Amino acid sequence: QVQLQESGPGLVKPSQTLSLTCTVSGYSINSGGYYWSWSRQLPGKGLEWIGSIHYTRGTYYTPSLKGRVTISGDTSKNQFSLKLTSVTAADTAIYYCARERNSVMGTYGMDVWGQGTTVTVSS
Amino acid sequence: ETTLTQSPAFMSATPGDTVDISCKASQDIDDDVNWYQQKPGEAPIFIIEEATTLVPGIPPRFSGSGYGTDFTLTINNIESEDAAYYFCLQHDNFPLTFGGGTKVEIK
Repeated sequence: QVQLQESGPGLVKPSQTLSLTCTVSGYSINSGGYYWSWSRQLPGKGLEWIGSIHYTRGTYYTPSLKGRVTISGDTSKNQFSLKLTSVTAADTAIYYCARERNSVMGTYGMDVWGQGTTVTVSS
Repeated sequence: ETTLTQSPAFMSATPGDTVDISCKASQDIDDDVNWYQQKPGEAPIFIIEEATTLVPGIPPRFSGSGYGTDFTLTINNIESEDAAYYFCLQHDNFPLTFGGGTKVEIK
């Protein structure tokens, strides 16, 4: 059974870098067949897809955050990570990691999610 | 970018009711829509894939319909355990986008 678990600081100061890690169990992230992604839910709003990493297809980011976001993987620990630079209060959200099954041209969307971690940006 | 407009944002139902949740796309996205259920503090659960296919292990009272721009999640004979937040996702094009979500309350 595949499980994902987010971890990282719950409080980040404005202008600093938000760093989160997703630990995957039950499946090797470099086995192929899947993207590994991050999404977030801003307070009182719907979800926003942040981006994803695929071990042969590369990384993909939402245009609104491109330039501030980096997703990377550590196969030795079976983890992937999110870094978001220059954060402001607008980045306060619940952050989720997930697995997406890849299709021929893209993705079939998320099939397994972590339960999310709350990050607050405040001084 | 494809915008998904989900409605209603909130609904209250009585056990045994049939409820419909709508998800409308700003452009044709074939059947590239998934539906998810989320309860507070828990990970979202994948319930419908490719607009109409029930994910294995999900009760058959859940069903999905639609193609192109209009999609619907239907819960037949709703039960108290179905109280949750439901949202749609389009995976037709990058960036992936979500509907605004529907909170379903059971009276």
